[in-house]
Amino acid sequence: GAGVSQSPSNKVTEKGKDVELRCDPISGHTALYWYRQSLGQGLEFLIYFQGNSAPDKSGLPSDRFSAERTGGSVSTLTIQRTQQEDSAVYLCASSFSTTSGRNEQYFGPGTRLTVT
Amino acid sequence: AQSVTQPDIHITVSEGASLELRCNYSYGATPYLFWYVQSPGQGLQLLLKYFSGDTLVQGIKGFEAEFKRSQSSFNLRKPSVHWSDAAEYFCAVGGRYGGSQGNLIFGKGTKLSVKP
Repeated sequence: GAGVSQSPSNKVTEKGKDVELRCDPISGHTALYWYRQSLGQGLEFLIYFQGNSAPDKSGLPSDRFSAERTGGSVSTLTIQRTQQEDSAVYLCASSFSTTSGRNEQYFGPGTRLTVT
Repeated sequence: AQSVTQPDIHITVSEGASLELRCNYSYGATPYLFWYVQSPGQGLQLLLKYFSGDTLVQGIKGFEAEFKRSQSSFNLRKPSVHWSDAAEYFCAVGGRYGGSQGNLIFGKGTKLSVKP
């Protein structure tokens, strides 16, 4: 079946503009994760959605970052007033529901964000 | 705090030679351990996982890894490397106490180069 898809694959934006990144998880996966991959920081967790529960936002670096998940499927990560340090690859992953952590996460190809 | 250490930033091996990539973790309970591979411009692909049971786990593409609780290690091995194995490899830990509610904590990655 189809894997995790993300759009756009590349996004170049000017400093101060808002951007929206989209993630379509694997059908049937109820858990969805956003990570950020940058040269200096490696892979960092941003936010986690599990079913209808309140999302875990503990990894969001500032209040300029937000995410939503509509209908338990598609998710959008929004970055407001982008800064140059936001430049990174944003990866989305999904998995089957689990409360134990025994979850194989499947990753999308990522969105490369460049803030000029 | 939970953490994952990959001591080698970059490794170069000759095609046909054996490979071992090191991973050490710090974790307060039984960890769930993963190895992912990332080719340039691609997302992360799951190579193998350890949840419980046999400490030697087999994965895709001829890779295996051994969980050693006494050494807090989960090293990745392959007996004979192919040029197509050149990529970046990430070790990750997850679990009920791993990160926040199931997200993965990643090492910084090891970049593998293969000499012809």
